[in-house]
Amino acid sequence: KNEVEQSPQNLTAQEGEFITINCSYSVGISALHWLQQHPGGGIVSLFMLSSGKKKHGRLIATINIQEKHSSLHITASHPRDSAVYICAVSRGGEKLTFGTGTRLTIIP
Amino acid sequence: ETGVTQSPTHLIKTRGQQVTLRCSSQSGHNTVSWYQQALGQGPQFIFQYYREEENGRGNFPPRFSGLQFPNYSSELNVNALELDDSALYLCASSGVVAGGRGTDTQYFGPGTRLTVL
Repeated sequence: KNEVEQSPQNLTAQEGEFITINCSYSVGISALHWLQQHPGGGIVSLFMLSSGKKKHGRLIATINIQEKHSSLHITASHPRDSAVYICAVSRGGEKLTFGTGTRLTIIP
Repeated sequence: ETGVTQSPTHLIKTRGQQVTLRCSSQSGHNTVSWYQQALGQGPQFIFQYYREEENGRGNFPPRFSGLQFPNYSSELNVNALELDDSALYLCASSGVVAGGRGTDTQYFGPGTRLTVL
């Protein structure tokens, strides 16, 4: 079993829909990261959080440490949000352990 | 503030050859991590360098080696290339790994896509 599990693996939605991507992990962590990867490979860090909730524009990330679960929400989704969203955890700063990603496609 | 850059962007090698991939860290960052991402998979941690010394290593054989230079740029070297080494290689820099503890946002480069034939 992977240390970091994401669901769903693939998600297709209409423009404007509210999107939720889930991440569960099985180890103790110091922080959880949400990353965005566009075709071609470049990865952008969206959030790093260790408790509570963070918001940036239309993106919201939450984490429940007790349940070892995090969610990434996108409000008013847009075709330019189409990408692979990756959850990763860090423990003590040495390395990131990644989930396999959620491929999001927003249809106009 | 300059971002993380990697070179080359694409590379084709044959089995048994050696390859060197390069990464320039974001200005002010003293830590660099290297990751291998096979097609359709999440990235896998190769190793991390902090102030020119290896500071953690993933489950990769010794033919994967690295260097970090005084200006905090870094190299990933892979010897005796195998077909399964074909992947996107990502480096990421970050600013705070004091004594190996603490964590900080990692800034990723665009990656080098290596194809081994």
